[in-house]
Amino acid sequence: NAGVMQNPRHLVRRRGQEARLRCSPMKGHSHVYWYRQLPEEGLKFMVYLQKENIIDESGMPKERFSAEFPKEGPSILRIQQVVRGDSAAYFCASSPRLLTGFTEAFFGQGTRLTVV
Amino acid sequence: EDKVVQSPLSLVVHEGDTVTLNCSYEVTNFRSLLWYKQEKKAPTFLFMLTSSGIEKKSGRLSSILDKKELFSILNITATQTGDSAIYLCAVGIPDSWGKLQFGAGTQVVVTP
Repeated sequence: NAGVMQNPRHLVRRRGQEARLRCSPMKGHSHVYWYRQLPEEGLKFMVYLQKENIIDESGMPKERFSAEFPKEGPSILRIQQVVRGDSAAYFCASSPRLLTGFTEAFFGQGTRLTVV
Repeated sequence: EDKVVQSPLSLVVHEGDTVTLNCSYEVTNFRSLLWYKQEKKAPTFLFMLTSSGIEKKSGRLSSILDKKELFSILNITATQTGDSAIYLCAVGIPDSWGKLQFGAGTQVVVTP
């Protein structure tokens, strides 16, 4: 059973370009969470999705950021018109069910986005 | 506002030493506290704690939760260089669809 797969592992974008980050959850997992880790900071929640639904996007910046988890295929975190401040590691986690406190989330290897 | 605070922020120890990491939290309607190890890549799950006073052990690592004083500790005995990592503490935020609130982490460096 493969773990949570994220790609690409490293992504370099020039200011103003678009960044697309992909996350394939573990087999059987239908809940996906995206977190961002800025240098020397803890992980910050961005968005929680179930298949075809955004459940909680309270951690997403209001502009330029969007996420989806289609019926088929990976979850995508999309950042339009990237700026230097978007440079960070973006982690995806998946779980088989809602995290009610009695299950754990499994994290992917992350995508390190560098905006130049 | 919910808070998770880890201490110390970083420490350097020699191989064989014992390390104790702290995590305190202020969360309404606490459900669970999780510890992760992050070595330059994905955080890997270590422990999930839900009940006070029950120690969880995995090899040289152990952790315990005190729900009265609102903190948890993670102990690493007989440290090895492979224990060098950032250790993250997270609290499950109830009624938030599974959101985890993370502390800033403790960077542990084990020198030979």
